Amino acid sequence: RKEVEQDPGPFNVPEGATVAFNCTYSNSASQSFFWYRQDCRKEPKLLMSVYSSGNEDGRFTAQLNRASQYISLLIRDSKLSDSATYLCVVNELGSYDKVIFGPGTSLSVIP
Amino acid sequence: DAGVIQSPRHEVTEMGQEVTLRCKPISGHNSLFWYRQTMMRGLELLIYFNNNVPIDDSGMPEDRFSAKMPNASFSTLKIQPSEPRDSAVYFCASSQTSGVTDTQYFGPGTRLTVL
Repeated sequence: RKEVEQDPGPFNVPEGATVAFNCTYSNSASQSFFWYRQDCRKEPKLLMSVYSSGNEDGRFTAQLNRASQYISLLIRDSKLSDSATYLCVVNELGSYDKVIFGPGTSLSVIP
Repeated sequence: DAGVIQSPRHEVTEMGQEVTLRCKPISGHNSLFWYRQTMMRGLELLIYFNNNVPIDDSGMPEDRFSAKMPNASFSTLKIQPSEPRDSAVYFCASSQTSGVTDTQYFGPGTRLTVL
């Protein structure tokens, strides 16, 4: 099993739709979690951190479920500008701290 | 404020040549990361430094790859000799604190093509 897995894409949704991505991780000792966004041929940029209590930033909501070892990202009222690849990131602290990026989920918002 | 700076932005070289990629982290950041991204393998962490000291290089593919950080404002990733399978986008990222749990700021990447 891969350390971090994401929903296979691509997701093609109409403007205004709500879309949800899931990400699962294998190490129960994972400490911190993020969602990054990567536009085509650009660098990844932080979208939001994921907190245990869940957090919201405008149209974006992130949730963490430690018991089931998954995090989710919900995008409401999708905009054309939301089209990108969304990367789940899991950090593990130990003898060597590890940063693990998921393979990403591609989203296309269609007019 | 200047973000992470990488050079060159594009590099085309022939198999067997030495390639050196350069990175200037954001001023005041204590951690620096080198990543490689390909379609097949996604984004992979190669090595990271805390306060200029290499902490984990387990992601470095093989002895042909080496990385240095001689001071807080400069790092290099060197491939010698280069091979076609090294073709990828190489990103450098920095974060403010020591360790991996802080937000990482990525540079624009170096697109490497080895013929």
